[in-house]
Amino acid sequence: AIRMTQSPSSVSASIGERVAITCRASEDIRSYVAWYQQKPGKTPKLLIHTASTLRSGVPSRFSGSGSGADFTLTISSLQSEDFATYYCQQYYAFPQTFGQGTKVNIE
Amino acid sequence: QVQLVESGGGVVQPGGSLRLSCAASGFTFSTYGIHWVRQAPGKGLEWVGVISFDGVNKIYADSVKGRFTISRDNSENTSFLQLTSLRPEDTAVYYCAKDPVLTAGTPSHYMDVWGKGTTVTVSS
Repeated sequence: AIRMTQSPSSVSASIGERVAITCRASEDIRSYVAWYQQKPGKTPKLLIHTASTLRSGVPSRFSGSGSGADFTLTISSLQSEDFATYYCQQYYAFPQTFGQGTKVNIE
Repeated sequence: QVQLVESGGGVVQPGGSLRLSCAASGFTFSTYGIHWVRQAPGKGLEWVGVISFDGVNKIYADSVKGRFTISRDNSENTSFLQLTSLRPEDTAVYYCAKDPVLTAGTPSHYMDVWGKGTTVTVSS
């Protein structure tokens, strides 16, 4: 199975700061990456698919980049509602796999 | 609006069985694949399996292959996840989620809509 390694596992940041989360695949997965946000006790929410396509309705401060094996989710200016855990997912091959998650905390 | 609602979770003994349901509304259920994903307490997300829009293709994670079965009833707008030979490590919140691509024979895509999940606890 393709391994998805996220870093960092947690990050502390202040409102207005820029935050970047990276995800590295164990092999080339082209652009078949999605990013999800999950708040405590809530269901995951799709933010980005195909590495960089923002889902309709998701704020433009979220962006995705990368292809091949290295991908990045960037929050350009952190807002209070962005404190959550973020997961990358590859859907290039079965079994689909997720990164271990990155928790974004308030500094 | 597009909605998925899981049900059927509960507490079951090791070796036991359970059937989860995922009721869909707000979209043409019979034209989209359905994924199942689980999340153990305090852990990350684990993809369990997927069923194609027509129920023909089903693909499972190795950790559940041979024990879990995904099915669907398009006349009832519902997907099912049959869990058998349950183990303590199957304890998790189980989510169903919609594949975004219309009539995909092999629904290998991201998940655009998720249900709220149902909790399965395997314990003696």
